[in-house]
Amino acid sequence: IAGITQAPTSQILAAGRRMTLRCTQDMRHNAMYWYRQDLGLGLRLIHYSNTAGTTGKGEVPDGYSVSRANTDDFPLTLASAVPSQTSVYFCASSTSGRDTQYFGPGTRLTVL
Amino acid sequence: GQNIDQPTEMTATEGAIVQINCTYQTSGFNGLFWYQQHAGEAPTFLSYNVLDGLEEKGRFSSFLSRSKGYSYLLLKELQMKDSASYLCAVMDSNYQLIWGAGTKLIIKP
Repeated sequence: IAGITQAPTSQILAAGRRMTLRCTQDMRHNAMYWYRQDLGLGLRLIHYSNTAGTTGKGEVPDGYSVSRANTDDFPLTLASAVPSQTSVYFCASSTSGRDTQYFGPGTRLTVL
Repeated sequence: GQNIDQPTEMTATEGAIVQINCTYQTSGFNGLFWYQQHAGEAPTFLSYNVLDGLEEKGRFSSFLSRSKGYSYLLLKELQMKDSASYLCAVMDSNYQLIWGAGTKLIIKP
C-alpha cells in the first residue's frame, strides 16, 4: 500500500441499509478525515480524528459515525442510508492535523 | 459565518497565463491551500501560503494577502493537462479546512 486507499470504489445502496466505507493509510499520519463532495458545493467535513482513539464531529455529521481503533484505519458507517447521502466520499490524512491533507481516491455512493 | 468565494468556471488558451482568485472570511487563519482536482479523481495538493506574498513552484504560483482576505493561483504556460478544478481552502482557528466550491478551468487549444 502506498498512501491512502478506500473501498469500495463505488456502491449502489438501497435506502435504509447499513454501509461502511473503509479507509486505510500507511503513512503513519496521526490525523484522518472524512469529507463528502457534492456538485456545486465545497468539500464538507463529516468527521475527523486527530489521533488514534479520538474522533470529532465536522460540519455535517448527522447520519454518520466513525471509529479510530488504530493509526491506519478510519471507517465511516452510515447506519441507515438515505438518498441525501448520495455523494462522493473522500478520506484524507495529515501528519499532525495542522498541515497538508492528502486524499484517498474516493468512494462514489448512490442511495436509492 | 465562514465563506470561501472563487469563480465557478474559467476558460483559457493553451500556452497562456491564467489567474484564479479566492476570497475568504473565516474564523481565524492558519494558512491557505490550493488543490487541483481532475474530473473523477481526488484532490491533490498544489500549494500552501501562511505569510503574505508569492510562493512559486514551477509553472504554478500562489499569492496571499491576509489583510485583504485574498489569494490567487497563477498558472503559466498552460497545458491541456491543466484542465481541472482548482480548490481553495483555508485552515481556520480550529485547524479545520474550509473549502471553496472550486473553479473549473477549461483549456482550449
